[in-house]
Amino acid sequence: SQQGEEDPQALSIQEGENATMNCSYKTSINNLQWYRQNSGRGLVHLILIRSNEREKHSGRLRVTLDTSKKSSSLLITASRAADTASYFCATAVPTGFQKLVFGTGTRLLVSP
Amino acid sequence: ETGVTQSPTHLIKTRGQQVTLRCSSQSGHNTVSWYQQALGQGPQFIFQYYREEENGRGNFPPRFSGLQFPNYSSELNVNALELDDSALYLCASSSGGAGTDTQYFGPGTRLTVL
Repeated sequence: SQQGEEDPQALSIQEGENATMNCSYKTSINNLQWYRQNSGRGLVHLILIRSNEREKHSGRLRVTLDTSKKSSSLLITASRAADTASYFCATAVPTGFQKLVFGTGTRLLVSP
Repeated sequence: ETGVTQSPTHLIKTRGQQVTLRCSSQSGHNTVSWYQQALGQGPQFIFQYYREEENGRGNFPPRFSGLQFPNYSSELNVNALELDDSALYLCASSSGGAGTDTQYFGPGTRLTVL
């Protein structure tokens, strides 16, 4: 079963605009990771935020984590057409081994 | 590029057959995880191998099995294929076994079961 739920399921914006995606999860976590997937191909790791961190930046990406609300958000600033992809959050649950539990994904379309 | 490779890229099988998918992990990584991604869904964890031993398994039946070799490459075997096994199969490599490091994914194998 899916642990996380991304919101919205689909997002359509113009180049230059910001895109915000949200993720909610259900159980305690070690960390939360965001991945990008282009056209049903492999997943590209974007950013990892640990459970004791609240915000992290990487280039045009900003991730926040609120463990009290069991939620995270991914902000992509100044979006480009090349950002068009599906975005997934994945939680690393404390099972004693590295199991990632993925959400359902947000499909982002950035139009030129 | 993550350095994780998978073969084959695409595969078509018929119901009841058996299939083997292969994964070469990134250099220096001793942990391989396998995921199944059905169309329109997020990936679901199948199992994980650490130093040639299975050290974690998701909610998949025993007909899904695997191996990890001394060079840390891995195989996923699926017996008695069913139509619902049609999916993108992803492997991911990482280091540390029970650690919480980033997993680096390969490009996937698209399996179609007819």
